[in-house]
Amino acid sequence: QKEVEQNSGPLSVPEGAIASLNCTYSDRGSQSFFWYRQYSGKSPELIMFIYSNGDKEDGRFTAQLNKASQYVSLLIRDSQPSDSATYLCAVNPPNGQNFVFGPGTRLSVLP
Amino acid sequence: EPEVTQTPSHQVTQMGQEVILRCVPISNHLYFYWYRQILGQKVEFLVSFYNNEISEKSEIFDDQFSVERPDGSNFTLKIRSTKLEDSAMYFCASSEAGQGWPSELFFGEGSRLTVL
Repeated sequence: QKEVEQNSGPLSVPEGAIASLNCTYSDRGSQSFFWYRQYSGKSPELIMFIYSNGDKEDGRFTAQLNKASQYVSLLIRDSQPSDSATYLCAVNPPNGQNFVFGPGTRLSVLP
Repeated sequence: EPEVTQTPSHQVTQMGQEVILRCVPISNHLYFYWYRQILGQKVEFLVSFYNNEISEKSEIFDDQFSVERPDGSNFTLKIRSTKLEDSAMYFCASSEAGQGWPSELFFGEGSRLTVL
């Protein structure tokens, strides 16, 4: 059973702070890891993906991957109220074409 | 910017009826997917489709469900004999590449199905 786990939250941070979102996955051979943002009632939209161990930065967002620990995280710097959403971690397992999603972490950025 | 389009945005149906949800994937994409999200729950994989056939399906995707690509642009999900628990948001997605390649999923806006 392929599992992707996330803390459901809500995670509350003040505006301007760093928000840290975590995700663990069970399939050790997984290759690609994605962070999506989903506003209430809307479809998921991609923030970024990572497939190599280490950090990957894109603007205010940094994804971190540790395959040995089966752990991927997303840091949001200078959090804004508009970042308030549910953040979904998705994993592309090695033997399937589907993407397995975690339950999401609800982030609330307080003005 | 190319996008995945879905129709209808909201469908209300009576239990036991059949529904067809339609999707137009991005034109140069090769892989198509249906996901569903029951209110307040996680996004769940239903089925992936490549080269005019199902490439993978989940245990949710039983005989009640079918997919079809009737022409060069549309990708449909048919749900036969709907049940109350089929009420969910159904997302169509497409990607340029599939397994083993960090190709993102592009999602449509979703079709909300309400079964009464």
